[in-house]
Amino acid sequence: DTEVTQTPKHLVMGMTNKKSLKCEQHMGHRAMYWYKQKAKKPPELMFVYSYEKLSINESVPSRFSPECPNSSLLNLHLHALQPEDSALYLCASSHARTARTYEQYFGPGTRLTVT
Amino acid sequence: AQRVTQPEKLLSVFKGAPVELKCNYSYSGSPELFWYVQYSRQRLQLLLRHISRESIKGFTADLNKGETSFHLKKPFAQEEDSAMYYCALRATQGGSEKLVFGKGTKLTVNP
Repeated sequence: DTEVTQTPKHLVMGMTNKKSLKCEQHMGHRAMYWYKQKAKKPPELMFVYSYEKLSINESVPSRFSPECPNSSLLNLHLHALQPEDSALYLCASSHARTARTYEQYFGPGTRLTVT
Repeated sequence: AQRVTQPEKLLSVFKGAPVELKCNYSYSGSPELFWYVQYSRQRLQLLLRHISRESIKGFTADLNKGETSFHLKKPFAQEEDSAMYYCALRATQGGSEKLVFGKGTKLTVNP
């Protein structure tokens, strides 16, 4: 299995809701990533998990809360979002730092709309 | 500073014409560079990595350390090449690795 899967594909939520995005991979990758992508813009890195520990937080507001319950799963918990948080949220995975070849495998994304 | 610059936001060519998408980087160590492609309604995927020195879908890219460039080239563009192309640099932060992306070039190949 060489795919990263993300659920849900689409999510509409109000500013007072709490929701979660899920990401899963079964490639044995020990690094997982969350990105935010606005239309016609490059992916913006949000968080990196390495061996299930948070290693990079790119100064993301606390209304976004990542969680890595095991080596295959990555969640992004959302609470009290703003309309400007509407975007495509991408998950990716890769071998961790010791790997000679480096490639990030991306999921299809969750299209989030905050109303 | 770790930075990737793609000077062209948009690039439009006719089918069969050569195409070159420019990428310049700034990195203090030994760089590892990639081209990622995002076709309409598809996921972001790796197209090329410089260490493999491969040709994928007719595209090639050579790392030029003197000019700090990693331009993507194809001698004869096809309509199916129309997509968003991102140049990316492998970087280290906090003991982990990440990709630093350029802003991207939208390539349109006209019939």
